[in-house]
Amino acid sequence: DGGITQSPKYLFRKEGQNVTLSCEQNLNHDAMYWYRQDPGQGLRLIYYSQIVNDFQKGDIAEGYSVSREKKESFPLTVTSAQKNPTAFYLCASSTSRFEDTQYFGPGTRLTVL
Amino acid sequence: AQSVAQPEDQVNVAEGNPLTVKCTYSVSGNPYLFWYVQYPNRGLQFLLKYITGDNLVKGSYGFEAEFNKSQTSFHLKKPSALVSDSALYFCAVRVSGSARQLTFGSGTQLTVLP
Repeated sequence: DGGITQSPKYLFRKEGQNVTLSCEQNLNHDAMYWYRQDPGQGLRLIYYSQIVNDFQKGDIAEGYSVSREKKESFPLTVTSAQKNPTAFYLCASSTSRFEDTQYFGPGTRLTVL
Repeated sequence: AQSVAQPEDQVNVAEGNPLTVKCTYSVSGNPYLFWYVQYPNRGLQFLLKYITGDNLVKGSYGFEAEFNKSQTSFHLKKPSALVSDSALYFCAVRVSGSARQLTFGSGTQLTVLP
């Protein structure tokens, strides 16, 4: 899992509540990413950021928001607008070169009660 | 649009036998191809990647993969499987010069039987 930390490991929330997932990296990577993993569907990109104070929507951004105020941090907020938020969330980072590898954090499992 | 297919949801192999996990891709342009492994409730670990050059790529833990442009495939292989290789394997693709990020396959669960 390298120099990427995600917290908490497990998270429970009630319907209608917003919740923020933390992602921190000490790899000095410019780019950071958030993926959602559901059984049998692989990973789907939620948001990504290639530089501080800039980010782009991925394939499934609806109901999520992000910020990138520091190079090391890329928190993800799951809002009440996300209709089916129960999933495993993975954060990754890489240098900004296209060929470079994305390295992943250990993940946060979110369960909506 | 780019896509990745892992045609087998599940692969079973006996310990000591060779293993193959299949991956095919569809892209417009030159692909960058990656293999990752995931153990239960953990993040993805990078195994190997193909960018350019030699079609046979060697990676971590004795794994290797062969890039075949004519068949648009990038199958993962290991000569002798270990029980500890049992995990979920993902193939991913990224197109050079594209702003899009990695596109992942749906994953293949590998079980190595003792």
